Amino acid sequence: DAKTTQPNSMESNEEEPVHLPCNHSTISGTDYIHWYRQLPSQGPEYVIHGLTSNVNNRMASLAIAEDRKSSTLILHRATLRDAAVYYCIPLAMNTGFQKLVFGTGTRLLVSP
Amino acid sequence: SAVISQKPSRDICQRGTSLTIQCQVDSQVTMMFWYRQQPGQSLTLIATANQGSEATYESGFVIDKFPISRPNLTFSTLTVSNMSPEDSSIYLCSVQLSFYGYTFGSGTRLTVV
Repeated sequence: DAKTTQPNSMESNEEEPVHLPCNHSTISGTDYIHWYRQLPSQGPEYVIHGLTSNVNNRMASLAIAEDRKSSTLILHRATLRDAAVYYCIPLAMNTGFQKLVFGTGTRLLVSP
Repeated sequence: SAVISQKPSRDICQRGTSLTIQCQVDSQVTMMFWYRQQPGQSLTLIATANQGSEATYESGFVIDKFPISRPNLTFSTLTVSNMSPEDSSIYLCSVQLSFYGYTFGSGTRLTVV
């Protein structure tokens, strides 16, 4: 499994953009980069995933470095509800079932 | 996405006893995953449960301590046996419906006294 490095915590003010970095320098060429987040007292939930191109969805954007050794999850306008632990997880794309392996993640604190 | 119901949501148990946690999914799934989240820590995979076969355990977890049943495609149980205070954690089940479709239950918060 590819190792990931994320800052332990980050802080943001409400309605400001947040850039959450993830280093995954040992990622395989066929691994997708997935992001999950865990809100307080809940199980993790899917946020976004990508392979090479930048990706957008209703929750966030994912910017992937050209060499794929790092990526950045972007929350365009943080809300109090976005306070959570964010995990980046490399995941191979194949036909079998994959197990999610969680790193330490980044705890995002959002202030009013 | 799937909806997962976990029971109980929390429990306080005496050391030396066992607790069985139930995970019910609202759709049929092949694989179910069980995780442990120790206080202030990230999630650690305990085992993968495939219907009709024995669960596959990760390093550091054994069947005698964490027996798992998977009687059908919508249900699984995890038992935490002979509990000690070190077993106090949140236990979560998860399923994969698609490549990005991992869904988690809300977890069972276990305190062993």
